[in-house]
Amino acid sequence: DTGVSQDPRHKITKRGQNVTFRCDPISEHNRLYWYRQTLGQGPEFLTYFQNEAQLEKSRLLSNRFSAERPKGSFSTLEIQRTEQGDSAMYLCASPGTSGINTGELFFGEGSRLTVL
Amino acid sequence: AQSVTQLDSQVPVFEEAPVELRCNYSSSVSVYLFWYVQYPNQGLQLLLKYLSGSTLVKGINGFEAEFNKSQTSFHLRKPSVHISDTAEYFCAVSASEYGNKLVFGAGTILRVKS
Repeated sequence: DTGVSQDPRHKITKRGQNVTFRCDPISEHNRLYWYRQTLGQGPEFLTYFQNEAQLEKSRLLSNRFSAERPKGSFSTLEIQRTEQGDSAMYLCASPGTSGINTGELFFGEGSRLTVL
Repeated sequence: AQSVTQLDSQVPVFEEAPVELRCNYSSSVSVYLFWYVQYPNQGLQLLLKYLSGSTLVKGINGFEAEFNKSQTSFHLRKPSVHISDTAEYFCAVSASEYGNKLVFGAGTILRVKS
């Protein structure tokens, strides 16, 4: 158990619907990361927060995607008007002991999205 | 920019045999290197990391990896594998010059056969 919780673990939705994923990170860390993993690929960086500020967004994050971290605690990732290409595992992560200086991350179990 | 190449998409091996999973990276700056393991329908678990110092690093479950700067490699090894080592393994690199974001390879599926 890494201390990073994600909900739901699995989500099946129809194309065009909106979905929201939640991440509760390791409490003492002020950084939070989102990654996306598609079948047969390694995780790809989407975005990260320092407290409530979203500091960087990947070009993978189209305008249908929005991430928030109100009050610098939990974070949500919303996908509007889902497309079949959005089917993936969405991973949330917190830095490890040296993570802010090295990139070391602890990942949650992930939220698997299937768009029909 | 940084990139990671995992040279083998799948590695089949018999139980109790040694295994090496290959990883090469590309970066123009000093890097930190990681190996993660992912079991089916689970998140990624940190196996080991190279931050500085000794180039041979030991991790959990009997795995070790050697950082070779001249070869830009960070191959993962285990002298004797178990059925329970069957999983997907990801090599990752980060650098402070690139905001310490992890960049992952495509993964290598290790299949241990009895």
